[in-house]
Amino acid sequence: GAGVSQTPSNKVTEKGKYVELRCDPISGHTALYWYRQSLGQGPEFLIYFQGTGAADDSGLPNDRFFAVRPEGSVSTLKIQRTERGDSAVYLCASSQSWVADTQYFGPGTRLTVL
Amino acid sequence: GENVEQHPSTLSVQEGDSAVIKCTYSDSASNYFPWYKQELGKGPQLIIDIRSNVGEKKDQRIAVTLNKTAKHFSLHITETQPEDSAVYFCAARVDTGTASKLTFGTGTRLQVTL
Repeated sequence: GAGVSQTPSNKVTEKGKYVELRCDPISGHTALYWYRQSLGQGPEFLIYFQGTGAADDSGLPNDRFFAVRPEGSVSTLKIQRTERGDSAVYLCASSQSWVADTQYFGPGTRLTVL
Repeated sequence: GENVEQHPSTLSVQEGDSAVIKCTYSDSASNYFPWYKQELGKGPQLIIDIRSNVGEKKDQRIAVTLNKTAKHFSLHITETQPEDSAVYFCAARVDTGTASKLTFGTGTRLQVTL
């Protein structure tokens, strides 16, 4: 079946602009995660949704970052007033249920802030 | 919070040889340890995982060992093949029954040469 999909695959923006990154989880998966991966590093947790609500947003670096999942499926990560330091690959993962479960990752969105 | 260290950062082996990657974690409450393989331009893919109630798990050419006392775990790949070349990440998680975030190591770039 289809895996986690993310769009766009690449996004280039200018410093100060607003961007939205989209994640489509595996159909039926109730838990959704966002991670950020800087060059040469492992993924770092940003936020986790169980259904429509953010169960843990402790990894969001500051209030320029925000994520939503209004219908409990697709999620959008929103970054305001982008900075060059926001450049990274943003990964989305989903798992089947609210219990501790395998996380399946999408291919990521590479964000470049000029 | 949890901190995961991973060594080595790069590893080159000849085809057919074994490869070992080691990780240590800091939070003694961590009880779930997955290993992910990431190929260029793709998201991390789970290859094997282990829970703290077992000391070793094997799946064909891949095995993982866990030493809870020392808080370290290792990935062993035997009879390496060129398609094993990728970046490997270890991770740790505290499983309390509900889904939660993974903390990743910094990755090991494995190169299998002919």
